[in-house]
This record gives sequence, C-alpha cells and structure tokens, in this order.
Amino acid sequence: DSGVTQTPKHLITATGQRVTLRCSPRSGDLSVYWYQQSLDQGLQFLIQYYNGEERAKGNILERFSAQQFPDLHSELNLSSLELGDSALYFCASSVGGGESYEQYFGPGTRLTVT
Amino acid sequence: GDSVTQMEGPVTLSEEAFLTINCTYTATGYPSLFWYVQYPGEGLQLLLKATKADDKGSNKGFEATYRKETTSFHLEKGSVQVSDSAVYFCALSETSYDKVIFGPGTSLSVIP
Repeated sequence: DSGVTQTPKHLITATGQRVTLRCSPRSGDLSVYWYQQSLDQGLQFLIQYYNGEERAKGNILERFSAQQFPDLHSELNLSSLELGDSALYFCASSVGGGESYEQYFGPGTRLTVT
Repeated sequence: GDSVTQMEGPVTLSEEAFLTINCTYTATGYPSLFWYVQYPGEGLQLLLKATKADDKGSNKGFEATYRKETTSFHLEKGSVQVSDSAVYFCALSETSYDKVIFGPGTSLSVIP
C-alpha cells in the first residue's frame, strides 16, 4: 500500500459526459501528479500540483482540468468525454520541492467511455 | 527535451534465468534515474533509484548502475522468479524540478 488513495476505482460513462476523479496523497506529501495510461499511448504525464499551485503541465487536453485543494487532495475533471479517453488514470504524490524525489502511485481509476 | 528509451518487449524468460532490460536516456542536466514496476492490476511502485553517476540502485535482487558516459541505466537480476512477471518502467527526473519522465515500459513474463 503506497498510502495514495484514488476514488472511484472504476467509472463507466457515456460520450459527452463529465467526470471527476479524486486523489488523496500520502500524509506529508505536497506534490500531486496525474497520469493517463492507455495501451496505445503508454504512460502520459498530465499535470502536477505542488502545495495547491500548478507546477508542471504535460500532455493534458483542454477538456481536462485539475486542482489541488488546501487539504492537498486533488481532483481531475474530464469533460466532453470521448471514446479515446478510456484509460487508467493514476495519481502519484511525492514530498515535492526543488529536488528530485521518488513518486508514490495510487491504484488508479479505470475510466471506460461508451 | 528529456526522454527515456527502453528495449521493446515483451520479454519471456524461464524461471532462474538472467534478466537484463536496457534503458538509455537523454537529458539536459544530471537527472536522477529510477526503475518502477507495475504488477498486473496495480499502480506503479518504485523498484530502485540512483541519483548520481556510478551509483548503483538495488532492491529485491534487482540492480541498476547509473552510467553517465553511456547515458544508460540497465536493469539486471541474476535469477528471475515467476513473481517478477510485471511491466518495468525506466524513468528520469531532473534535479531542478520534480517532473518524472517515463519510458514506454517493458513487459516481462517469467514461466516456470
């Protein structure tokens, strides 16, 4: 158990809909990262937050947005869903800061868009 | 930009065989290097890491040495077990910021 929790575990929704994925980082970790893992694209970094502020952006679509709240949990919002958005979405956390710290991954949310 | 390249899988080995998964990287600075493992149905777990040149990371019988001259971080294990069947990701992180860049992953299957 990494200490990172993600909810829900599975999500099935229809095209055009909007969903919210939730992540709670390990106790004491200030950085939260979101990744998308699909068979054709592999593991793609989406976005990072550090202590409530956006820190780095990767291959995140404009239809997707995220935020980190004062209690450090984070939410990833996916809107106008398309079939191609079906994937595993992972959240990871790390201590954060200016040095390179390893990341701890949650179990993921499997999103299926029908 | 920074990138990580891994040998393509899938790799299939018999139990007790020697394992090598090649990893090379491109980076502008002096990154830290990692190997993560993803067991079926689970998230990624850090397997080992090395933060500077010539460092050797090791864990659970796996080893990898940070080779700056060849920009490589190959993963090795002397005797694999069925329980090592998983997907292995090589990754790097520049020291100036936290973003981790992952390779495409190498799937390993170990058969009895």
